[in-house]
Amino acid sequence: AQSVTQLDSQVPVFEEAPVELRCNYSSSVSVYLFWYVQYPNQGLQLLLKYLSGSTLVKGINGFEAEFNKSQTSFHLRKPSVHISDTAEYFCAVITAQGGSEKLVFGKGTKLTVNP
Amino acid sequence: NAGVTQTPKFRVLKTGQSMTLLCAQDMNHEYMYWYRQDPGMGLRLIHYSVGEGTTAKGEVPDGYNVSRLKKQNFLLGLESAAPSQTSVYFCASGLRLNYGYTFGSGTRLTVV
Repeated sequence: AQSVTQLDSQVPVFEEAPVELRCNYSSSVSVYLFWYVQYPNQGLQLLLKYLSGSTLVKGINGFEAEFNKSQTSFHLRKPSVHISDTAEYFCAVITAQGGSEKLVFGKGTKLTVNP
Repeated sequence: NAGVTQTPKFRVLKTGQSMTLLCAQDMNHEYMYWYRQDPGMGLRLIHYSVGEGTTAKGEVPDGYNVSRLKKQNFLLGLESAAPSQTSVYFCASGLRLNYGYTFGSGTRLTVV
């Protein structure tokens, strides 16, 4: 069964600094990978997804993520963060080949952007 | 086009009471999921469905039942609510595995 580990529960950064939120997954088969963002008291919004092809995926709000199969990682990055990026970010995985359609999430990383 | 709608948005139950949470989507999606979100635990999958008339257990199914009698609706039932079921419940739907999933705005449930 697949699982997701988000290595940092909280990440504080200053405005305009770069940020990386780390995500590792475990699965014995091919997977699809997703990053979601949750603003306070709201539902989750899709930031980006990796399905196949290019390992660098660009998403909304200037975020990007890199799929690394050998490291089983899918880290999220942004070169310059804004106060409005303060939110909780979730990495998620689903098996690509069917047989198990469970969409599994990590425990989340709270990003706090300080002025 | 409303997307994913969860009903109700808030509810307070007494221990032992029952209730049903409704998730409705108008996007003709096949896949639907129910999650609970607790502080520090992320989102944990309760049950899911890969099409009308199908349901399957997720990571934390105990104490919950589900039904998908119509493609657009996915119901989550609590037969005898317990304080441990106090949580925020989210529903999500997707057209296919690689589509990306749309989330509802959540139901905040408190069991006293």
